[in-house]
Amino acid sequence: QSVLTQPPSASGTPGQRVTISCSGGSSNIGSNTVNWYQQLPGAAPKLLIYDNNQRPSGVPARFSGSKSGTSASLAISGLQSEDEADYYCAAWDDSLNGVVFGAGTKQTVL
Amino acid sequence: QVQLVQSGAEVKKPGASVKVSCKATGYSFTGYYMHWVRQAPGQGLEWMGRINPNSGDTNYAQKFQARVTMTRDTSITTAYMELIRLRSDDTAVYYCVRAVPYTNGLDVWGQGTTVTVSS
Repeated sequence: QSVLTQPPSASGTPGQRVTISCSGGSSNIGSNTVNWYQQLPGAAPKLLIYDNNQRPSGVPARFSGSKSGTSASLAISGLQSEDEADYYCAAWDDSLNGVVFGAGTKQTVL
Repeated sequence: QVQLVQSGAEVKKPGASVKVSCKATGYSFTGYYMHWVRQAPGQGLEWMGRINPNSGDTNYAQKFQARVTMTRDTSITTAYMELIRLRSDDTAVYYCVRAVPYTNGLDVWGQGTTVTVSS
C-alpha cells in the first residue's frame, strides 16, 4: 500500500481536460511540496511538475499542478495521444524521512 | 549535456550482492543530491534513498536500511548503490536520479540498470 493515494486509471478523449488526484497526509503533502512524474511505456520516468506547480523547461504548458491541504492534482489540458502514460505523484515524508510515491495512475487516451 | 550513465544489467543469485554505478557528467556533481529509485516489473516507483555527494551523508528508506549502502567517488563523479542479501523480489530496474536543488524533484534520470535475482 502506497503512502500517497492515486486512482489506478483515468481516461479522456483528445482535447479534453483531465485531472489526476493524489491524496496524502500531514507528514507528506500537508507539509512538503509535491512532484509529478510521467512514465511513457518502456521509458524512464520524467519530471513533469516540481514544487507543486513548477514546470521544468521543455514541459508543455498544458500540464499543471496544484496542491491544497493534504491533496494535490495534476491537470492535463488539451489531452493528446502522446499523453498516454503512467503518472506518479511524490513528496517528502517527514515521519518516514524519505520520499514517498503514489502507486501511479494509468492515463488512457480514448 | 547533463547525463547519468549507469552500469549494465546484472544477474545474481539469491543471497548475493550487487553494486550499481552511476556516472554523472555535464554538471557539478557535488552540488546536487543523488537519489536511487527502483521499479519492479509491472509495478510502481519505489524510493530507496539518497546521498549528498558533497558530504557523503545518506538517507535510506526504512525498508532498505539494513541492506543498502550508497556511496560516491567525487574524483570520478560517480555514485554507487550496493544492495546485499538479494532476494527474488529485488528483481527490478534500478535508477539513479539527480534532484533539483532545495527540492526533492528528481529531474535527471539514469537509463536504469536491470537487476535480476534468480537461482
